[in-house]
Amino acid sequence: DAGVTQSPTHLIKTRGQQVTLRCSPKSGHDTVSWYQQALGQGPQFIFQYYEEEERQRGNFPDRFSGHQFPNYSSELNVNALLLGDSALYLCASSWGTGDQPQHFGDGTRLSIL
Amino acid sequence: QQQVKQSPQSLIVQKGGISIINCAYENTAFDYFPWYQQFPGKGPALLIAIRPDVSEKKEGRFTISFNKSAKQFSLHIMDSQPGDSATYFCAVLNAGGTSYGKLTFGQGTILTVHP
Repeated sequence: DAGVTQSPTHLIKTRGQQVTLRCSPKSGHDTVSWYQQALGQGPQFIFQYYEEEERQRGNFPDRFSGHQFPNYSSELNVNALLLGDSALYLCASSWGTGDQPQHFGDGTRLSIL
Repeated sequence: QQQVKQSPQSLIVQKGGISIINCAYENTAFDYFPWYQQFPGKGPALLIAIRPDVSEKKEGRFTISFNKSAKQFSLHIMDSQPGDSATYFCAVLNAGGTSYGKLTFGQGTILTVHP
């Protein structure tokens, strides 16, 4: 039973570029949430996708956008990258929304030069 | 606005000892309280979680104690082992409100268990 898988594991970009991160949820899960974790901090909620729609959004600018596909996998897109976007981006999946347990992947480490 | 305050920031325990990490929250609407364990280079792993209808939940060496009136909950790790050395995060979630599905995390506690 595969867990949450994310790709790529590491990525280096320069300021102003755009990036796309990918997530495959755990088998049986239909909801995907994205979090940003800065070094030494707890994860911060970016948004959640369910039934191919953005259901919840945290305090992140419109440069952060996402998509969920019919097979429940998801993408996180970040435009006009800033140095402050350097972080570990985590994907979590769950069955349904609400208080269902969220299981995390190992993340994508994004470094902005 | 910091909705979850976690303490201590770091904790050193001898092998076989008890590790205790505390979290305090502000919003009484929260109704799901998980703890996550994170090793370097890995994502957070769900350790144990509690809902406010019970005051304690135990799974193996891990116990959550929950005090609804004080808006506090804690993680107890009994017989701590060097393999427990990791960063621990508490989190809160409001299942039914406008922020349903959104986990809000504490700042984390770095636990070191000495052999």
